[in-house]
Amino acid sequence: ETGVTQTPRHLVMGMTNKKSLKCEQHLGHNAMYWYKQSAKKPLELMFVYSLEERVENNSVPSRFSPECPNSSHLFLHLHTLQPEDSALYLCASSQDFGVPGYTFGSGTRLTVV
Amino acid sequence: QKEVEQNSGPLSVPEGAIASLNCTYSDRGSQSFFWYRQYSGKSPELIMFIYSNGDKEDGRFTAQLNKASQYVSLLIRDSQPSDSATYLCAVRNNFNKFYFGSGTKLNVKP
Repeated sequence: ETGVTQTPRHLVMGMTNKKSLKCEQHLGHNAMYWYKQSAKKPLELMFVYSLEERVENNSVPSRFSPECPNSSHLFLHLHTLQPEDSALYLCASSQDFGVPGYTFGSGTRLTVV
Repeated sequence: QKEVEQNSGPLSVPEGAIASLNCTYSDRGSQSFFWYRQYSGKSPELIMFIYSNGDKEDGRFTAQLNKASQYVSLLIRDSQPSDSATYLCAVRNNFNKFYFGSGTKLNVKP
């Protein structure tokens, strides 16, 4: 596989569930990102990892918990979410943090019921 | 004030016409500017980037940057129905922070 792969593509979860989103990149990039895309709103940067260390966390609620075990994998652990958290969650990678030209994954469409 | 502003559209142009998409940004120290295309239900894909004032051409696409006026635009010549998508403007400031606009929806009518 090439590029950035996200699983699952779709996820429906109840507010009391715990689930995880997975992202894997095969580009040899050193930086990985989680973005949230809600209808008619700009992409919102949630977390940035550079060389497996978190370098940015944009005031995201603690019910979202990222994990980056190595430079190729990124997870977003979800628990006790709210209906307003329903959105498209996009993973992206870039050669290095701040280097332009993200490559985005296909996203996970999350619905919280 | 939003970091990056775009008209949400939709912008409708006939096939073969020039589509002009505009974006303004608030941080005068911004260094790099990007245009992404996002088809409905798909993830964004990078189509153009520009760093210097002036025009940059790539096939049917031309990015224009005017730092003094703090705007960047994307021109699509000979628009095709397959160009119908939402176009996202993104800006990187001198702190390496990226900001995206909400996007402009383009409809190219056959």
